[in-house]
Amino acid sequence: GAVVSQHPSWVICKSGTSVKIECRSLDFQATTMFWYRQFPKQSLMLMATSNEGSKATYEQGVEKDKFLINHASLTLSTLTVTSAHPEDSSFYICSALAGRWGTDTQYFGPGTRLTVL
Amino acid sequence: GENVEQHPSTLSVQEGDSAVIKCTYSDSASNYFPWYKQELGKGPQLIIDIRSNVGEKKDQRIAVTLNKTAKHFSLHITETQPEDSAVYFCAATSGYALNFGKGTSLLVTP
Repeated sequence: GAVVSQHPSWVICKSGTSVKIECRSLDFQATTMFWYRQFPKQSLMLMATSNEGSKATYEQGVEKDKFLINHASLTLSTLTVTSAHPEDSSFYICSALAGRWGTDTQYFGPGTRLTVL
Repeated sequence: GENVEQHPSTLSVQEGDSAVIKCTYSDSASNYFPWYKQELGKGPQLIIDIRSNVGEKKDQRIAVTLNKTAKHFSLHITETQPEDSAVYFCAATSGYALNFGKGTSLLVTP
């Protein structure tokens, strides 16, 4: 149980375009999901907390107008990187809070590799 | 905010030996401490976790110990195998948002 999927697993786009990444909890409902980015050989950096039916909470330094988050259902959160630039190239990972197993157990998706040319 | 320190940054052991990774945290309110294993190009996988009302937890070859007084917790892997090679992250939280350590790259050589 507690499986989280992401789509796509990798994407290459041109500078200036927008990219949408989906995060789904497959066998449980997640009122809270998180979005992280990870640079090579570094730790995970929390970008934002996504709560179903409400606005996301962004970490300091993360531009909310650039990284649009929508958590429209209990099993789906999306991250849209708007007007992407090469510096946005990174590994984006989502996680979901598995309420049925505990109030604070996070399960991670497989990640999405974004490359902006 | 919470600050999690993780050591060592790299660890190389021979197959069959034990591996120990240590983390310290700063926020005494932290009450949940998960460990994740991340293989190259993949998302982190939860391997074991411990809550602050427990001092030790074991799952087959993996164990975690917690010392709340000293604010440190450790991951112990016994009888290491080559497939244990990966980056391991510790984390701590008093709520939902995880504060991660910088990771330990474990290499198990045959």
